[in-house]
Amino acid sequence: DGGITQSPKYLFRKEGQNVTLSCEQNLNHDAMYWYRQDPGQGLRLIYYSQIVNDFQKGDIAEGYSVSREKKESFPLTVTSAQKNPTAFYLCASSIDWDRYSNTEAFFGQGTRLTVV
Amino acid sequence: GDSVTQMEGPVTLSEEAFLTINCTYTATGYPSLFWYVQYPGEGLQLLLKATKADDKGSNKGFEATYRKETTSFHLEKGSVQVSDSAVYFCVRGSGGYQKVTFGTGTKLQVIP
Repeated sequence: DGGITQSPKYLFRKEGQNVTLSCEQNLNHDAMYWYRQDPGQGLRLIYYSQIVNDFQKGDIAEGYSVSREKKESFPLTVTSAQKNPTAFYLCASSIDWDRYSNTEAFFGQGTRLTVV
Repeated sequence: GDSVTQMEGPVTLSEEAFLTINCTYTATGYPSLFWYVQYPGEGLQLLLKATKADDKGSNKGFEATYRKETTSFHLEKGSVQVSDSAVYFCVRGSGGYQKVTFGTGTKLQVIP
């Protein structure tokens, strides 16, 4: 079945550590996105990628980094510079960037990151 | 900037009750409008969408009509079920600017 897979489902990070969240899709979508979800807030865009080997900062990119070496994969690294990383992280994809605002986005099941 | 305003939750209803979740959006440009649903512990799924004024999106008994005159896209369902318990997000896509704005979400709890 086609879809987006995020792993792990739960992740614990110690202070000062970098951690990487995985996102893989087999939908053949060009565009991929990372969102952060906090209680009582909408989704906020961290990074997006329109195509392989390209990515752009979203609204809250500070303390995060990404790569897009393969079409299927868009991993997110939460660095020690991110002051408040505890949140629910969602990865999404769409057919392409130009039509994202008019077409369906497909979401993974999310990763809940907790700083301990 | 562009924004979406949803009614605050949680909304608690008895099974078979009528549901309305209000959503209004900023009218800049010619946005597409969506409702997504998030079940506990999961990602978001598209529930329905409308791409122009007066369009009605519908799915699984849910409906929403794109009202340009009131800049609204309210979600309705005539008879809710326990399985409809989830968080519902109203989403605005701003057309040519390719920017998508999410509402804060409304939690719905349906009790038997």
